[in-house]
Amino acid sequence: DIQLTQSPSSLSASVGDRVTITCRASQSINIYLNWYQFKPGKAPKPLIHAATNLHGGVPSRFSGSGSGTEFTLSISSLQPEDFAIYYCQHSSTTLYTFGQGTKLEIK
Amino acid sequence: QGLLQESGPGLVKPSETLSLTCTVSSGSIRGYYWNWIRQPPGKGLEWMGHISYSGSTDYSPSLKSRVTISRDTSKSQISLELTSVTAADTALYYCARGQSQYSSLDYWGQGTLVTVSS
Repeated sequence: DIQLTQSPSSLSASVGDRVTITCRASQSINIYLNWYQFKPGKAPKPLIHAATNLHGGVPSRFSGSGSGTEFTLSISSLQPEDFAIYYCQHSSTTLYTFGQGTKLEIK
Repeated sequence: QGLLQESGPGLVKPSETLSLTCTVSSGSIRGYYWNWIRQPPGKGLEWMGHISYSGSTDYSPSLKSRVTISRDTSKSQISLELTSVTAADTALYYCARGQSQYSSLDYWGQGTLVTVSS
C-alpha cells in the first residue's frame, strides 16, 4: 500500500493568515494527489485534483502544488468558512489511501 | 438532497452483515467509478473499495475478505456489504464518485452512520 503522511495534524490560524498543509507519499504517485475539505454534517467537498487543479467553484485562495512524493495545499488568506478538516488522497493505483487529516482551527 | 444518498440500517449486531445502498439521483451510474469510504468516530478516513464502469472491483487489502461492492444500473444504485462486523466497523459510511481510476472523487454523499452493537 502507498501510505500518505499529512502534517501538521492540527493547525491554529487567524482569519487572513496564509497556511500550508503537507502530504508526503511513501513512494512516487506522480501527480495523482487530491485534496478534500470536511465539515461536520456536510458532504465532503473536493478542492484540488491531480495535485494542482482546482475543482469547479473552489475559491482561488486555495492552491495545490507538488509531484512525486511531496505535495502541499495552501490557503492564501483564510476565511471563516475555511476552518475545517483537510485530507489528501492518492489515486495513482487502483487501491486508494487517505492521509490522516489536518484540523484547521481558529486561533 | 445531493447527487448521492447513502441509506441502510443505523444499527447492526456484531457478527452480522452490514448492508448499505448509495442511490444516485440523476443520470446513469455507468461511466463512473463508485467508491465507499468510512470514518470511525473521531478517526480518519478509510477507503474501502470501488466498482468501475466495467463492473470490476478493487478492495482495500485490510477489508478484502469481508467486503463486496456491487451495482444495479437499472436502479442507479451502488451497494456495500460488509460481513462479520464488530464494534470496530462502527463508522460514518460515505459513497463517492470518480470519473476514472486516476481521478479524484468529485461527488460525495453526506454519509450514513452505522453503529455495531448488540
